[in-house]
Amino acid sequence: QKEVEQNSGPLSVPEGAIASLNCTYSDRGSQSFFWYRQYSGKSPELIMSIYSNGDKEDGRFTAQLNKASQYVSLLIRDSQPSDSATYLCAGNTGNQFYFGTGTSLTVIP
Amino acid sequence: GAGVSQSPSNKVTEKGKDVELRCDPISGHTALYWYRQRLGQGLEFLIYFQGNSAPDKSGLPSDRFSAERTGESVSTLTIQRTQQEDSAVYLCASSSRPGDEQYFGPGTRLTVT
Repeated sequence: QKEVEQNSGPLSVPEGAIASLNCTYSDRGSQSFFWYRQYSGKSPELIMSIYSNGDKEDGRFTAQLNKASQYVSLLIRDSQPSDSATYLCAGNTGNQFYFGTGTSLTVIP
Repeated sequence: GAGVSQSPSNKVTEKGKDVELRCDPISGHTALYWYRQRLGQGLEFLIYFQGNSAPDKSGLPSDRFSAERTGESVSTLTIQRTQQEDSAVYLCASSSRPGDEQYFGPGTRLTVT
């Protein structure tokens, strides 16, 4: 069974620190990976996608993919209280997407 | 451009009634997905449409659930004889092609009393 696993947290970091969110996946055939942010009571919002090994940076966000270790991570630099949310990791194999259950992040002012 | 829209935003229904939920994908997006999210839980895949291909219904939890999509436009998710365990937020997402980034609508919050 294809799975994406995340530490449910909660993860707390002080404002201005780096938040590190991690995800592992079971299907070596997974081709693409996505990070979504979900505020309480809202729908998931796409933050980043990553398709190849290495790092991908977008503003304060950096996604990292290591296909050999089946590991995906999201780093949030200079964390802000507005970053407090649940972060969902998703992998894709063909047409199917597999979502993790999310990591709850709290940024403390 | 306009994002994914869903209606209604909230629906309260009595146990045993049928409900119909609607999703309007982003224009030009060929792939459309339905998910269910129970309170405090992760996303549960329900069904996937791609163009005029046969849908992937592998996530539908029972035969009370069905969905349709006409071409690459609107989709409706129908739940017959609703049960209390059907209470959840139903999310629709679309992507420009299979496997690409998905964009979610605001969801329909269904409450079965």
